[in-house]
Amino acid sequence: GAVVSQHPSWVICKSGTSVKIECRSLDFQATTMFWYRQFPKQSLMLMATSNEGSKATYEQGVEKDKFLINHASLTLSTLTVTSAHPEDSSFYICSARDREGLNTEAFFGQGTRLTVV
Amino acid sequence: SQQGEEDPQALSIQEGENATMNCSYKTSINNLQWYRQNSGRGLVHLILIRSNEREKHSGRLRVTLDTSKKSSSLLITASRAADTASYFCATARPDTGRRALTFGSGTRLQVQP
Repeated sequence: GAVVSQHPSWVICKSGTSVKIECRSLDFQATTMFWYRQFPKQSLMLMATSNEGSKATYEQGVEKDKFLINHASLTLSTLTVTSAHPEDSSFYICSARDREGLNTEAFFGQGTRLTVV
Repeated sequence: SQQGEEDPQALSIQEGENATMNCSYKTSINNLQWYRQNSGRGLVHLILIRSNEREKHSGRLRVTLDTSKKSSSLLITASRAADTASYFCATARPDTGRRALTFGSGTRLQVQP
């Protein structure tokens, strides 16, 4: 099946610094990628939809200036957590569906565990 | 906002027993999907059932869908310790052109060896 690679798998950073998370579709082109956030023992919550070549669409309550999304190519989307604070500590997961994928599965990255100290 | 609910929230069974998880959703759907998540990992797709299907099998998995009740169930037969994971149902969000998924609250399954 298709592969989505997410990097890094974990990161520890100091408060006030920025962290970039990459999400790549390895063997298909993804015009749209999705970023989710997951707190311990909870479900995935959609943060934003990343659109290749245009601005991301953010969910209500998600600060677009804090969570910067760039989708410069059909295989790469990045999420940058700016000026990170301890409350941003969470598990971030990206997902992609291929261009035809309305009735197909979504493919997920391995997730990134962010810890802000 | 979270689309649907799953029950039970947690389930602990012995190896060899069957595990049943239920999911409810709120909007109209083209299909419903089930995913598995090992602790601290990404999600793995298990099975997709279309809105015009009532039941689907894949190996030890059996999924049912009742669109009149907006509910689905996942049955894992003859469970193994390796089945220990969280299981989520997911449906496509109509407001995203049915591309983004919204997930149920999940069931944490523990299979005791």
